[in-house]
Amino acid sequence: DAGVIQSPRHEVTEMGQEVTLRCKPISGHDYLFWYRQTMMRGLELLIYFNNNVPIDDSGMPEDRFSAKMPNASFSTLKIQPSEPRDSAVYFCASSFFNQPQHFGDGTRLSIL
Amino acid sequence: GQQLNQSPQSMFIQEGEDVSMNCTSSSIFNTWLWYKQDPGEGPVLLIALYKAGELTSNGRLTAQFGITRKDSFLNISASIPSDVGIYFCAGPVDISSGSARQLTFGSGTQLTVLP
Repeated sequence: DAGVIQSPRHEVTEMGQEVTLRCKPISGHDYLFWYRQTMMRGLELLIYFNNNVPIDDSGMPEDRFSAKMPNASFSTLKIQPSEPRDSAVYFCASSFFNQPQHFGDGTRLSIL
Repeated sequence: GQQLNQSPQSMFIQEGEDVSMNCTSSSIFNTWLWYKQDPGEGPVLLIALYKAGELTSNGRLTAQFGITRKDSFLNISASIPSDVGIYFCAGPVDISSGSARQLTFGSGTQLTVLP
């Protein structure tokens, strides 16, 4: 079975540019999570969805960050405008009901 | 919110040695999860624990759900080079339900296996 698929795997862009990260969850999973991983703060939950509806976005750092889930098989995390401190690895994870989460391989984002 | 304290932060061991790491919580948990992250990849679930005192194995890995429900342990026996990576413990944010939907993660244990 295909796992969680994230794209792109790497993104390098200049500050001020818009960045869009994409995620395809495992088919049949009803929960989708976006995380950010940095050396300083570890794995942080940014937002999660249940049945395509955002449930908790309290981890989203600021208004420059937004996430959408237009359907059960696709989600985006957008940063506009991007800043150097947004550089991190961003993970998407999905789960079914209250089963453990399965992670994608992440997007390594570098903002110059 | 709940805090997970994971130790040690890093370990350097010889191939063939056994490894032990642990995680403690400021709150009682109903679920403990252990993940491993290889370089350049996402965390992969190793073991899930759902009952206090539970001892579960996955190959050379064994994890235990502490009897106090505030801690968990992961042991790796006869380590091999591919055991290298970061090991994370995780528990539910919503401790009352015990569901694994929303997780809080430990800071990780970086394991290096020397030949």
